[in-house]
Amino acid sequence: NAGVTQTPKFQVLKTGQSMTLQCAQDMNHEYMSWYRQDPGMGLRLIHYSVGAGITDQGEVPNGYNVSRSTTEDFPLRLLSAAPSQTSVYFCASRPVMNTEAFFGQGTRLTVV
Amino acid sequence: QQQVKQSPQSLIVQKGGISIINCAYENTAFDYFPWYQQFPGKGPALLIAIRPDVSEKKEGRFTISFNKSAKQFSLHIMDSQPGDSATYFCAASAPSGNTPLVFGKGTRLSVIA
Repeated sequence: NAGVTQTPKFQVLKTGQSMTLQCAQDMNHEYMSWYRQDPGMGLRLIHYSVGAGITDQGEVPNGYNVSRSTTEDFPLRLLSAAPSQTSVYFCASRPVMNTEAFFGQGTRLTVV
Repeated sequence: QQQVKQSPQSLIVQKGGISIINCAYENTAFDYFPWYQQFPGKGPALLIAIRPDVSEKKEGRFTISFNKSAKQFSLHIMDSQPGDSATYFCAASAPSGNTPLVFGKGTRLSVIA
């Protein structure tokens, strides 16, 4: 059972480039979220989804897009990377709201 | 607006001592309060969680104390060990409105021998 799988683990982008961070879960969880982790800032919610076809914005959504075409996948797109998006990104899934969230191993992104 | 406030930001404890991390919240709709543990290079993992129908929950050396009237909850680590050195996050969520987990800013715990 793989749980929540994030790819890639590391990425370096140039300012203005676009890319997609992948997140897949094999637990048939309805709820998925993307967080970014920055020193001293904790985990801040970027976007989340309560099921296939349904997404919503979190605390820091600007510069990011998401879609949820299947239950398993929840990719995060950076449209035009900026140095301020240098961070560690975590994807999480939950079977239902108000229960344990399972996290992936993270993607460390550097924008130069 | 920070929905969950966590303190201290960092903590150094002697081996065998008690580590205490505190969190406070404002949203009275919150009814699920987990603590996550994160080691360097890893994703956060659930350590222990509590719901407001009890004032305390204990799992091994880890205890959550919950004060509903004060809107505060805390994590106590008894007999702290060097292997407990990690970053700890408190979090909260509500049952209504499909509210995702909101996290505190984290506490970096170092347990020294």
